[in-house]
Amino acid sequence: GAGVSQSPSNKVTEKGKDVELRCDPISGHTALYWYRQSLGQGLEFLIYFQGNSAPDKSGLPSDRFSAERTGGSVSTLTIQRTQQEDSAVYLCASSPDRSQETQYFGPGTRLLVL
Amino acid sequence: QKEVEQNSGPLSVPEGAIASLNCTYSDRGSQSFFWYRQYSGKSPELIMSIYSNGDKEDGRFTAQLNKASQYVSLLIRDSQPSDSATYLCAVIGGNTGKLIFGQGTTLQVKP
Repeated sequence: GAGVSQSPSNKVTEKGKDVELRCDPISGHTALYWYRQSLGQGLEFLIYFQGNSAPDKSGLPSDRFSAERTGGSVSTLTIQRTQQEDSAVYLCASSPDRSQETQYFGPGTRLLVL
Repeated sequence: QKEVEQNSGPLSVPEGAIASLNCTYSDRGSQSFFWYRQYSGKSPELIMSIYSNGDKEDGRFTAQLNKASQYVSLLIRDSQPSDSATYLCAVIGGNTGKLIFGQGTTLQVKP
């Protein structure tokens, strides 16, 4: 594809429900990153994939958050038992290699937990 | 101390002026530095990268790096209203190898 795509673009859910957010990186990009951006805040690193493995999960805020990547391409970020503080924009980025230097961002998923 | 610090602003400049955006970082081993622009409601886009001390120019944008002072800045010459956005400084930590973002500085260019 032409760029990183994410779905859904917007998600409204009730507290306690599970949500899945999807990221489709640029074709051929081996590295994939998930970030969270709360209103008026900077980007908070969540997790990094190199291929299908996640060498750095240090940013996941709690065990309610998990992510996987299959086939070295699409990634899914799952939030279980959502809380109101999970409301944010979840951004995915990909880069051609593990250097992290040139990251291309997707449009984000805006999550609102009521 | 935050790893990457920016003044959140807003920084307001008149059209045609030079906008100066500043960023400091705590990891002295950092080697790679980036500026991203983020329009309201949009995702960040990379506009400049710099790796060596000194200035790097690209069109109306100049990035400046001073590793001794752990300081990186972005100058925007002949500012336009279309430059109004949040500018995010990002640094690859020398110890972690991880890209760390600052909180961003909001720039307003007034016609």
